[in-house]
Amino acid sequence: QKEVEQNSGPLSVPEGAIASLNCTYSDRGSQSFFWYRQYSGKSPELIMFIYSNGDKEDGRFTAQLNKASQYVSLLIRDSQPSDSATYLCAADQYTGTASKLTFGTGTRLQVTL
Amino acid sequence: NAGVMQNPRHLVRRRGQEARLRCSPMKGHSHVYWYRQLPEEGLKFMVYLQKENIIDESGMPKERFSAEFPKEGPSILRIQQVVRGDSAAYFCASSLMDRGGQPQHFGDGTRLSIL
Repeated sequence: QKEVEQNSGPLSVPEGAIASLNCTYSDRGSQSFFWYRQYSGKSPELIMFIYSNGDKEDGRFTAQLNKASQYVSLLIRDSQPSDSATYLCAADQYTGTASKLTFGTGTRLQVTL
Repeated sequence: NAGVMQNPRHLVRRRGQEARLRCSPMKGHSHVYWYRQLPEEGLKFMVYLQKENIIDESGMPKERFSAEFPKEGPSILRIQQVVRGDSAAYFCASSLMDRGGQPQHFGDGTRLSIL
């Protein structure tokens, strides 16, 4: 069973702080990783994707990938109340003919005033 | 609106009825994926389709569920003889290309409730 694991939270951080969200995956064949944000009752919204080891920055968001440790993380700087949502980590299992995402169950982030 | 369009947003069916869920991919996208999200659970892959072809249906239940993506019109996820356990949010996503690593963009989903 190829899995993506996330701590369900809630992760509570004060406004302005850095939120750190973590994810591990079991399939070493996974090459691409995605972070989605999902507000309650809404659809997943793509935040970032990363393919290479190291860091990738986009505005307040930084994705980090360590393939040796099978670990992906998302840092949110200067957290805002509007960042309060569930963050889903997904690994792309590309078979050569088909691409499908395996999702973690998500980490609920609460940004407090 | 050039995003992924799903309809209906909410669908109520009685046990034994059929449910038909529709998805139009983003403009320019020809790869469609269906996912199911049960309450308090993560998204689970169901099926991946291209125009007129099912590429991977490994996540689809073997009975009662079917999917198609005709040459013209939206992709359809069909659930026959629905049961209470089919109550979930069904999301459609689309991507530009089928090679690995392509971001998938999601529609707003269809919330299916079975009475």
